[in-house]
Amino acid sequence: QVQLVQSGAEVKKPGASVKVSCKASGYTFTSYDINWVRQATGQGLEWMGWMNPNSGNTGYAQKFQGRVTMTRNTSISTAYMELSSLRSEDTAVYYCARYIEGGSGYGFWGQGTLVTVSS
Amino acid sequence: QSVLTQPPSASGTPGQRVTISCSGSSSNIGSNTVNWYQQLPGTAPKLLIYSNNQRPSGVPDRFSGSKSGTSASLAISGLQSEDEADYYCAAWDDSLNGQVFGGGTKLTVL
Repeated sequence: QVQLVQSGAEVKKPGASVKVSCKASGYTFTSYDINWVRQATGQGLEWMGWMNPNSGNTGYAQKFQGRVTMTRNTSISTAYMELSSLRSEDTAVYYCARYIEGGSGYGFWGQGTLVTVSS
Repeated sequence: QSVLTQPPSASGTPGQRVTISCSGSSSNIGSNTVNWYQQLPGTAPKLLIYSNNQRPSGVPDRFSGSKSGTSASLAISGLQSEDEADYYCAAWDDSLNGQVFGGGTKLTVL
């Protein structure tokens, strides 16, 4: 069965960077884009961008351009999302997600990684 | 301010039918398919409807989706207490070149 397992919670200081991992299993990692979505406490869902694990091509939401980097290590079927110059507003749960087969909806999600930015 | 507009709240009694609306524009709902997600407290979102009106395996047929022009709707019939959750619509936006979400609708089962 398809699984996306994310790394654990992080606490960072303002100005620092955080790198969240998303390990895929149960399917061919290079066959589906990995997307990243975040959610601040009590707030809605916010799309951050996508990465094609086969080519390494990426597309980022304008809001995060210049601050986010999405990469992968195909040998271990793992995607990464790195966010730099952290500020308190970046405190949120970060999810990786994958489309379902034959559709455009995110049918598979990681469990989420809480990133807390605090001095 | 979300690109897609949803009512912040909705409610119904057990057994009732409720609908949640999602309004967008020509660059998102008007030209791309709509997906709906259900999120229970403290959990990751779950895909409820994709491609406007398709249900993933395991989603009860009490849930249905529709789209017309630049708006979409999620309907839940035979409302159950376990349907109490947050619901989000989403679509690709060609102008922003990214996925956009609605602000979410909190459904309360009275």
